Amino acid sequence: SAVISQKPSRDICQRGTSLTIQCQVDSQVTMMFWYRQQPGQSLTLIATANQGSEATYESGFVIDKFPISRPNLTFSTLTVSNMSPEDSSIYLCSVVRGGQSGEQFFGPGTRLTVL
Amino acid sequence: AQSVSQHNHHVILSEAASLELGCNYSYGGTVNLFWYVQYPGQHLQLLLKYFSGDPLVKGIKGFEAEFIKSKFSFNLRKPSVQWSDTAEYFCAVNAPGNQFYFGTGTSLTVIP
Repeated sequence: SAVISQKPSRDICQRGTSLTIQCQVDSQVTMMFWYRQQPGQSLTLIATANQGSEATYESGFVIDKFPISRPNLTFSTLTVSNMSPEDSSIYLCSVVRGGQSGEQFFGPGTRLTVL
Repeated sequence: AQSVSQHNHHVILSEAASLELGCNYSYGGTVNLFWYVQYPGQHLQLLLKYFSGDPLVKGIKGFEAEFIKSKFSFNLRKPSVQWSDTAEYFCAVNAPGNQFYFGTGTSLTVIP
């Protein structure tokens, strides 16, 4: 299994501000992802965090709003920029172990509330 | 694009009742299939997975799932639920090398 930690675990933020979420994995992984889980909904993939290059964003998500860094194979950050109440959600970091047919492991999530 | 459908949004059962949660996906090629569980206040955890071989997969805590390729289904079952099974259950599909797609989740409440 993979041990994944996220900081902060939760935060309450004001509209218009930005929050950076950190994700730390206990060992090197190739594939790292950021998801959003809005209240009562499923997980939605925001982007794939690529080490050494720009993240790959899914439809509906843009770098200006959700800049991502991946400086090495064990760490990534997701920033939620210029927040609005619609950004209130749980943000999850995940990694895949075992290559292309591997299992996906999830971090504990960051619960964000935007007032 | 791939999609995953979970038809039961909220299920309420009494302890010892049998459980079956539906999961259907749309993708014509080879897929990997997963069920994840999220207990209240906890991480998402893998319940079971199917990559190949026997289509009846056994997971942790007495859960099992059957892959029926002709029906594009991967339903989750448990013969006798416990109060501790109260959780959110997510079906997920992954075409090898591609991203994961998650269903909308099924909230299970087990009444003691």
